[in-house]
Amino acid sequence: GAVVSQHPSWVICKSGTSVKIECRSLDFQATTMFWYRQFPKQSLMLMATSNEGSKATYEQGVEKDKFLINHASLTLSTLTVTSAHPEDSSFYICSATTSGDVEDTQYFGPGTRLTVL
Amino acid sequence: ELKVEQNPLFLSMQEGKNYTIYCNYSTTSDRLYWYRQDPGKSLESLFVLLSNGAVKQEGRLMASLDTKARLSTLHITAAVHDLSATYFCAVDIVIGSGSRLTFGEGTQLTVNP
Repeated sequence: GAVVSQHPSWVICKSGTSVKIECRSLDFQATTMFWYRQFPKQSLMLMATSNEGSKATYEQGVEKDKFLINHASLTLSTLTVTSAHPEDSSFYICSATTSGDVEDTQYFGPGTRLTVL
Repeated sequence: ELKVEQNPLFLSMQEGKNYTIYCNYSTTSDRLYWYRQDPGKSLESLFVLLSNGAVKQEGRLMASLDTKARLSTLHITAAVHDLSATYFCAVDIVIGSGSRLTFGEGTQLTVNP
């Protein structure tokens, strides 16, 4: 089946620093990638949708200048949390879809746990 | 705005018992997904329901979709401890040339011996 990886699995950083999270589709070309954020004991909230070679579409309330998304290739998308603060601490999960999938299934990565001190 | 509501949010049940989790959504959609999440882990896909009346079963879990009622159910039969996890439904809505998932709040299931 389709595999999506994320790197790193977890990261601890100081307040004010920037953190980059990578999302890769390992065995398929991901035409669209999604970034979600999940706070403890809560559901997943979509942050943004990105298509290869295009600017990401951000959900209402998500600061595009703070959460930089780059989808430079059909197998890689990156999320950079700029000037991270403790309230950005969360579980970040990416997912990917491929064109031609009748079920339009999103394949989820294993997630990245970010802790900002 | 699409709303997806799960009921119950917390469920504690004994092994061997049956129970149903409900997922209601507020707008038209023909695609509904069920996922499982274990603590500290990402999502595991359980079922994809693509049409009205769709029913899928895998082991002790069975999912169904009624698009007219905007309702999906996840039925657990003879629960076992290994089913303890959080279960999410998610509704797929087409927006422009793409689509997006909106998740329910999740149902935290604990199966006690």
